[in-house]
Parts: sequence; structure tokens; C-alpha cells
Amino acid sequence: GAVVSQHPSRVICKSGTSVKIECRSLDFQATTMFWYRQFPKKSLMLMATSNEGSKATYEQGVEKDKFLINHASLTLSTLTVTSAHPEDSSFYICSARDLAGEYEQYFGPGTRLTVT
Amino acid sequence: RKEVEQDPGPFNVPEGATVAFNCTYSNSASQSFFWYRQDCRKEPKLLMSVYSSGNEDGRFTAQLNRASQYISLLIRDSKLSDSATYLCAVNDDSGAGSYQLTFGKGTKLSVIP
Repeated sequence: GAVVSQHPSRVICKSGTSVKIECRSLDFQATTMFWYRQFPKKSLMLMATSNEGSKATYEQGVEKDKFLINHASLTLSTLTVTSAHPEDSSFYICSARDLAGEYEQYFGPGTRLTVT
Repeated sequence: RKEVEQDPGPFNVPEGATVAFNCTYSNSASQSFFWYRQDCRKEPKLLMSVYSSGNEDGRFTAQLNRASQYISLLIRDSKLSDSATYLCAVNDDSGAGSYQLTFGKGTKLSVIP
């Protein structure tokens, strides 16, 4: 299957700081990447759809100025959590859809963010 | 509102048992369907796509019933390593040709020795 990497895998930061998470498709091109958040024992929640070369589409209730998304190339999307607060602590997972695929998504290994 | 519903379980089954999960979806126009597996504190991994004709991959069989709007996953001869949460996912057009996966909340399976 297609490989998606995510970096960092784990980050601890202080309240008020910003954290950037990178998502890369390693062996395929992805015009569309997705960012999800998952709280403990809860379901995956889509935060935004990241489109290469254009603005991201955010889900209702997700602040676009707080969660900055950049999709500068066909293999890289970044999510920046700005002015992080303890309630932003969560498991952030990206996924990518293969241009040549059938709408299945391949997930990165996730980033566990802890804001102290 | 597009919804995907799953029985959260947990399903506790002995090794070697056969277990089946169902998932219902609300959008009759949905086109693509998938089963993912998620281990604790890990990312979801694609288990299999679900085709109208049904498909099988080893011990796993997936089926789609469009009329009743549900998909199913059957696991035969359960192994301890099958213990995980199984997520169904439905692909929908969110507008202007942009497709998104809507996930169910997952069904937790525990295979017991």
C-alpha cells in the first residue's frame, strides 16, 4: 500500500506556542490530503481538506486561523497549530489520497500533541 | 447530514470464531466503501475496499448492500492479532467534486485465547 509519513510523531509544547506538523506522501502524488483529530476513545474527526495549490476547506467548528494548513506540493501538507492550548492536546493524523486510486485514503502514523 | 453508524461493541470472541460487523450509511448516493483497522494509539490502516459484488481477502469478506445501505465485514477463524477497532468508511462527494471519507465510530473486537 501507499506510504504516508508524518513528523513529528510526538511533541510536547508549552501553552501559547505554535507547532508545525508535516505530512508527506512518499511513493505517490496526492492532490488532496486530509487532517483529522482524534481524542482518546473517540472517533476520527475530519478537521480540514488540504488541496495542493489552493486554500484548505475547513469543517464546521474548526478555526482556520488557529489551524493553518499549507499544501505547497503534491507530496507535502503541513498543519500548524497556532497559540496552542491544553485543550488542543490530541492525536493529529493526516491522510492522503492517491491520484491514481479509487478514493481510498492512506494515513500517516499520527502526531501526538501534548500542550502543557 | 451524512452519517455512518456502527455498533461500538466490544465484541469479545474466542480464537477461531467467526465474527461479523455491520455498518449503515445514510447517503444513498455514496459511491465507495472501505473497512479500516485501527490499533490502540495508532493510525487507521486500510483493510479492504468493499465492492458491490462482495470481495474476499483471506479470512476477511466484505459485502455491500446498496438497497439497505449497509456494508458488512466477516472475519473467519479469528486470531488474537485481529483484536483492534474496525472502522467503516464511506466516500461522499462533499461538493464540487471533492470527495471525503466519513468514518463510523468503530467497532472494537477482542479475540480471547
